[in-house]
Amino acid sequence: EDQVTQSPEALRLQEGESSSLNCSYTVSGLRGLFWYRQDPGKGPEFLFTLYSAGEEKEKERLKATLTKKESFLHITAPKPEDSATYLCAGYYGQNFVFGPGTRLSVLP
Amino acid sequence: DVKVTQSSRYLVKRTGEKVFLECVQDMDHENMFWYRQDPGLGLRLIYFSYDVKMKEKGDIPEGYSVSREKKERFSLILESASTNQTSMYLCASSSVDKPDQPQHFGDGTRLSIL
Repeated sequence: EDQVTQSPEALRLQEGESSSLNCSYTVSGLRGLFWYRQDPGKGPEFLFTLYSAGEEKEKERLKATLTKKESFLHITAPKPEDSATYLCAGYYGQNFVFGPGTRLSVLP
Repeated sequence: DVKVTQSSRYLVKRTGEKVFLECVQDMDHENMFWYRQDPGLGLRLIYFSYDVKMKEKGDIPEGYSVSREKKERFSLILESASTNQTSMYLCASSSVDKPDQPQHFGDGTRLSIL
């Protein structure tokens, strides 16, 4: 069974304090790794897709990277508006398998 | 701009009622999905459809059914609602031509079964 796990479950940062979120996935059959942001009461919003080990994508203060068995979402100098739940998902050829998410809080 | 619209943001129903959740997408996507999202469990796939009148069971189909009579509309049906179906329900769509492109989500329906 394909699995995607995320750590930590929750993370509290001070504004400007950089950190990383982790996503581990079943390697066999992975065709794409996705990162989403979800604000309370809203649906997930797409951030990045990564397809192969070594690939990196950046958007503002966020950078997603992919290795052979995990992905990281690096947040540089976060601001309070970056507070959200971040989800990763693996695409295995028919279904998307979602991780449980990391709830990020950035304090001013 | 891509748009997935769910008919209700909040819904309160009683045990035993038949409940309909509606989802419409305007992107001409072939694939549509229904998930439920519960704290600590993430998104779990209930059903998906890759074409009109086609459906496939996801990981947790028990107690649910779906209907897809038109390409843009995908309905989730709770045949006889129970309290353990209280949850956030999310609809998503994606293109079959670009299967590894991201899913697009609606804003969800928070369903409470009393």
